[in-house]
Amino acid sequence: EDQVTQSPEALRLQEGESSSLNCSYTVSGLRGLFWYRQDPGKGPEFLFTLYSAGEEKEKERLKATLTKKESFLHITAPKPEDSATYLCAVVGGTASKLTFGTGTRLQVTL
Amino acid sequence: DTEVTQTPKHLVMGMTNKKSLKCEQHMGHRAMYWYKQKAKKPPELMFVYSYEKLSINESVPSRFSPECPNSSLLNLHLHALQPEDSALYLCASSQDLAGDNEQFFGPGTRLTVL
Repeated sequence: EDQVTQSPEALRLQEGESSSLNCSYTVSGLRGLFWYRQDPGKGPEFLFTLYSAGEEKEKERLKATLTKKESFLHITAPKPEDSATYLCAVVGGTASKLTFGTGTRLQVTL
Repeated sequence: DTEVTQTPKHLVMGMTNKKSLKCEQHMGHRAMYWYKQKAKKPPELMFVYSYEKLSINESVPSRFSPECPNSSLLNLHLHALQPEDSALYLCASSQDLAGDNEQFFGPGTRLTVL
């Protein structure tokens, strides 16, 4: 059974204070690892897909990386508008459904 | 365009009511999904349609009835719900059921069952 663990559960940063969110996964034959951002009361917004170890993707202040056991979402010089819950999900083997982690709630203050 | 739309945004219903949630996408995606999300929890898969046929039912109670009238539309019919069914209901779509395709989510319907 696929498993995803995200840490920390919650993170509070000051504006400009860079940090990383962790997503550890156990899956038989990774097909894809997905990062989403979710604002309160709204649907998840797709950020990145990573397919193989060593892959990296960037978008504005966000950079996602992947190893054989975990993925990191690096946030460089965050701004208050980056405050949200960040969800990690995987699909493995012959499965066609996402297995989500419980998310990291990020708060960025002035 | 990566937009999935959902109506209504909010819905309040009694336990004896019948209502429907609607979802639409115009990305040409052939897989569509219904999720339920409780506060501070990740989305929980309910149903998956592939090429307008029900592909996955995650043992959802029969008071939830999905329907896929065509490749762009997905409905969720609600009847005799319980207060514990109150949640954010999310629709998503992807190119197809291949595991490496990203899913795009709609804004959700906030459902309250009284």
